[in-house]
Amino acid sequence: GDSVTQTEGLVTLTEGLPVMLNCTYQSTYSPFLFWYVQHLNEAPKLLLKSFTDNKRPEHQGFHATLHKSSSSFHLQKSSAQLSDSALYYCALRGGSNAKLTFGKGTKLSVKS
Amino acid sequence: AQTIHQWPVAEIKAVGSPLSLGCTIKGKSSPNLYWYWQATGGTLQQLFYSITVGQVESVVQLNLSASRPKDDQFILSTEKLLLSHSGFYLCAWSPGGASYEQYFGPGTRLTVL
Repeated sequence: GDSVTQTEGLVTLTEGLPVMLNCTYQSTYSPFLFWYVQHLNEAPKLLLKSFTDNKRPEHQGFHATLHKSSSSFHLQKSSAQLSDSALYYCALRGGSNAKLTFGKGTKLSVKS
Repeated sequence: AQTIHQWPVAEIKAVGSPLSLGCTIKGKSSPNLYWYWQATGGTLQQLFYSITVGQVESVVQLNLSASRPKDDQFILSTEKLLLSHSGFYLCAWSPGGASYEQYFGPGTRLTVL
């Protein structure tokens, strides 16, 4: 079956430093990958989704590149902001059904 | 534009009491609909999904059930709440077809005492 593995637990960064949150996946299908962000006491929001034509999606300064050779879709940002502190989920749509498979989430804490 | 509404916003219930949570999506016909649960400080747990009216697939039941009585409505319920049911319940929708991304509703926070 499909699975998603993310950096577990808490990642703490100083404001202004680069962000990289890891996401690797396993799927027997050609996958679509997504990043969701969840701020405290809010619902998750779609941050990025992979494209079929290998374009690099970008949103709010975040970007991610789907590397099928390494089965990865790492989330990156050049400079962390305090407002980036949140829980980040990587998700995969692999099979033919309507489900997304979510990773366990990585909590990002950005400090000044 | 599509809007997703969940009710109630929050609920405090006694162990053993029944529960019904609702979700309505407006502005999109025949969406795929999903229920998720998130324990306080925990990760997302997918519960149910539905591609069409009257059909619901279970992912993890957790002594809960789901129904889709209308194209735009998804209901999550149980006849007897457990303490472990406390948490954040999220409804999500997806356009279906070739679009797989899901969009979440605002959620219902449930406290079982």
